[in-house]
Amino acid sequence: DIVMTQSPSSLAVSAGETVTINCKSSQSLLYSGNQKNYLAWYQQKPGQSPKLLIYWASTRQSGVPDRFIGSGSGTDFTLTISSVQAEDLAIYYCQQYYDTPYTFGAGTKLELK
Amino acid sequence: EVQLQQSGPELRRPGSSVKLSCKASGYSITDYLMHWVKHRPEHGLEWIGWIDPEDGETKYAQKFQSKATLTADTSSNTAYMQLSSLTSEDTATYFCAPNTPFAYWGQGTLVTVSS
Repeated sequence: DIVMTQSPSSLAVSAGETVTINCKSSQSLLYSGNQKNYLAWYQQKPGQSPKLLIYWASTRQSGVPDRFIGSGSGTDFTLTISSVQAEDLAIYYCQQYYDTPYTFGAGTKLELK
Repeated sequence: EVQLQQSGPELRRPGSSVKLSCKASGYSITDYLMHWVKHRPEHGLEWIGWIDPEDGETKYAQKFQSKATLTADTSSNTAYMQLSSLTSEDTATYFCAPNTPFAYWGQGTLVTVSS
């Protein structure tokens, strides 16, 4: 199974700060056939379903604010949230969909400082 | 518009089973694989498996191989997941989501296993 290691597990921020969440996979998520990284980022708020933010490691889902930026390739990926807003307080998960089982990172909880 | 309507919360005794439903609208469930995901706040998200509603083919994460059974009814555009031999470890919210990556999710079904 592909292991997804996310860090940090929690992050206390003030509104307006820029935050970075890291995700490392135990094997490359880059498929040579199409040069795409099979890596997604989700946001989950309490009592809600997860929401897709980023797919193919860096493609923003329709309607997602441009302060959410995904980057990285191969085994190392980053979600950057610039100018954090109160509505961004949630748990963020990375997920690989390169191979089954489609594994998730353990999550990063974004909290108010 | 793609919508996924999941069945309501369930309370079950240990050792029993439960069958959850996920009714899709806005698309045909035969268009995509349907995935199921388990969520426990202290354990995060776990992928359970997928079903191809077109032919009934299934694939499960190894740890759910004996726990979950995925089926689909194309006539009602509904996917199902049965969980058997329930224990407290199965207390969780279960989501359905078509295709990858998971752009659409059901609202989740809370299953509580308690004596």
